[in-house]
Amino acid sequence: EIVMTQSPATLSVSPGETATLSCRASQSVSRNLAWYQQKPGQAPRLLMYGISTRATDIPARFSGSGSGTEFTLTISSLQSEDFAIYYCQQYDYWPPCTFGQGTKLEIK
Amino acid sequence: QAQLVESGGGVVQPGRSLRLSCAASGFTLRTYAMHWVRQAPGKGLEWVAGLPSDGSNYFYADSVKGRFTISRDNSKNTMYLQMQSLRAEDTAVYYCARDLTSVITNLLESWGQGTRVSVSS
Repeated sequence: EIVMTQSPATLSVSPGETATLSCRASQSVSRNLAWYQQKPGQAPRLLMYGISTRATDIPARFSGSGSGTEFTLTISSLQSEDFAIYYCQQYDYWPPCTFGQGTKLEIK
Repeated sequence: QAQLVESGGGVVQPGRSLRLSCAASGFTLRTYAMHWVRQAPGKGLEWVAGLPSDGSNYFYADSVKGRFTISRDNSKNTMYLQMQSLRAEDTAVYYCARDLTSVITNLLESWGQGTRVSVSS
C-alpha cells in the first residue's frame, strides 16, 4: 500500500495570499495524483487530478504541480470559501487508492 | 445534476450486520463505476470498496475484505454496502461516490452526504 504524507498538518494564511500544500508518496505514483477539498460537515469535492488537471467548475486559482513522489497544491488569492481541509490521493497503485491525512487550511 | 443519497446507518453492536444504501438520481448508476469511502470521527478518508459499471469485479480494502460486500441494483438505480461482523473500528461516516468513468479510475467525482455508522456495545 502506498502511504501518502501531507504537510503541514495545519496551514494559516491570510485571505488574498497564496497557500502551498505539500504531499509526498512513499513510492512513485506517476501522474496519478488527485486533490480533494472538504469543508466542515460536507462531503469531499474533487479539485484536481492527473497532478494538474482541474475538475469541473474548479477556479483557476487552484493549481497543481510535482512529479513522481512530491506534489504541491497551490491556491492563489485565497478566498474565504477556500478555507477547508485538503486531501491528496494516489490512484496509481490500487486497490487500495490511498489518501493523505489532510492539511487544514485556516484563516490567519 | 447527479445526486447520491446514502441511508441505512445507525448504531449497531459489535459482530452485528448493517446494510447501507446509496440512491442515485440525475444519472444512470450502471454507466459509472462506484465506490464506498469512509471517514472515522476526526480522521481522514479511507477507500472501502469499488465496482466498475459492468460489475465484472469487486474491489475491497484489506480492512473490510471478507466482511463487506458491495453490490448494485440497476433497476432501482441504487448501490449497497452489506457490512457483517462489524467492529468498533468500522465506526465512521460512510460516503458513496461516483467515479469519473465507467471503469474504475478512483477519481471520485460526485459524493453523497454520508451516513453515520457507530459500532458500540
